[in-house]
Amino acid sequence: QPQLQESGPGLVKPSEALSLTCSVSGASIYSNNLYWGWVRQPPGKGLEWIGSIYHSGKTYYNPSLKSRVSTSVDTSQNLFSLTLTSVTVADTAVYFCVNVVCSINCYFLRYFDQWGPGTLVTVSS
Amino acid sequence: QSALTQPASVSGSPGQSITISCTGTSSDIGGYEFVSWYQQLPDQAPKMLIYDVSNRPSGVSNRFSGSKSGNTASLTISGLQAEDEADYYCSSYTSGTTLVFGSGTKVSVL
Repeated sequence: QPQLQESGPGLVKPSEALSLTCSVSGASIYSNNLYWGWVRQPPGKGLEWIGSIYHSGKTYYNPSLKSRVSTSVDTSQNLFSLTLTSVTVADTAVYFCVNVVCSINCYFLRYFDQWGPGTLVTVSS
Repeated sequence: QSALTQPASVSGSPGQSITISCTGTSSDIGGYEFVSWYQQLPDQAPKMLIYDVSNRPSGVSNRFSGSKSGNTASLTISGLQAEDEADYYCSSYTSGTTLVFGSGTKVSVL
C-alpha cells in the first residue's frame, strides 16, 4: 500500500504563498492509473478537493481555487507539491495529500484511495 | 462547484440500519458511475469505504454498502456499532473533469 506524508510550514502570513510537499513511498509516481493530489479541511468543516496531477504533468483543479493553485511532480524524488498563492485566513485548514485512482486511460478520476495523515496550515500574521 | 448535499446528522441504535443520502445533479452523480464514500474518525484522515457507487475494497466491513438512483447516491450501514460513530462524506466525478465532496454527515450511535 502506498504511504503518503505531507511536509511544509505550519504557519503562513496573509497574502503570502503556502507550499507543501508530499513524499510517496511504496508506490511509484509513474503509476499509470494514479493521479496525485490535495484535499483540505478547514477546522470543524468539510472536505474540499484542491486539485490533482498526473506524472506527465497534466493537472485538474477545483474551479474555485484554480487561479491561485499550482502543483508539480518530482519523479526523481517520488514526490509532488502544492503551491497556493495569496492566502487569507480562509485558507487555514488541514491539508491532506492523496492519490486518486483513475479509469482506463485515466479519462475519469474515480476515487481517493490513500491519504496522508494531514498537516495543519494556519494563515495568520 | 457546489458541494453535494448530505444530511448534517443521522443517528441510530446499535444493531439498526441507517442510510445516508448524497444528492447531486446530472452533471455529477447522475451522469457517472464514480461515486465514492469516506469515513472520517475524529482527528484522523478519511478512509475510503465504497468506490464506483457500490464496490467495497478489501478490509472494509460488509456492513457498509452503496447504491445510486438518479442523482442521489446512498450509503447504508447495517448492524450499526459504536465504532461507526464518525463523519461520512460522499464524492463524485463531475462533467468539468473535477471531483466534488458532499457536505458531510455526522453519524451518532444512540
